[in-house]
Amino acid sequence: AQSVTQPDIHITVSEGASLELRCNYSYGATPYLFWYVQSPGQGLQLLLKYFSGDTLVQGIKGFEAEFKRSQSSFNLRKPSVHWSDAAEYFCAVGPVGNRDDKIIFGKGTRLHILP
Amino acid sequence: DGGITQSPKYLFRKEGQNVTLSCEQNLNHDAMYWYRQDPGQGLRLIYYSQIVNDFQKGDIAEGYSVSREKKESFPLTVTSAQKNPTAFYLCASSATGNTEAFFGQGTRLTVV
Repeated sequence: AQSVTQPDIHITVSEGASLELRCNYSYGATPYLFWYVQSPGQGLQLLLKYFSGDTLVQGIKGFEAEFKRSQSSFNLRKPSVHWSDAAEYFCAVGPVGNRDDKIIFGKGTRLHILP
Repeated sequence: DGGITQSPKYLFRKEGQNVTLSCEQNLNHDAMYWYRQDPGQGLRLIYYSQIVNDFQKGDIAEGYSVSREKKESFPLTVTSAQKNPTAFYLCASSATGNTEAFFGQGTRLTVV
């Protein structure tokens, strides 16, 4: 069965520091992977996605993620965070087009930014 | 502009009453989803539909019902059987195949 694990519930970094949010997945075939961001009381916004091809994908707001098949990981990175990046981040996998397939989300990582 | 509209943004109901949350999309997406979000629990799937007139239970379907009579609409009814209905509800849609989901802005339901 598909699953997504985000090991860190909370992450705190200083403004201007680099960021890496971890995501591990379990899937029987080549996965389709996503990172979303959610501000308080809002819906989720897609940051980036990986379907195939180049394993380093660029997204919006200066974020990037790297797909590593050998480690079953899809970690999100940003070289220098801004106070406006404080939010909750969700990693997701799927669907693959079968009738019963659905998008599976991790439990999220809340990012706190220190001034 | 294309997108997903959830209404209302805030909803209050008395315990024991059924309530229906609206979700409309004009993206021409075949698949639609309902998620429940509680603090610290991420997104939990309630129901999803890959095509009109068909839907499947998600992980926490008990106490909820849905219909998919039109491609653009996927309303969620929270019934009196749902033991703890106060939560933030998110609707999403996606095209068929391997594509991302687009989310509405959510409805915060408070049952008193």
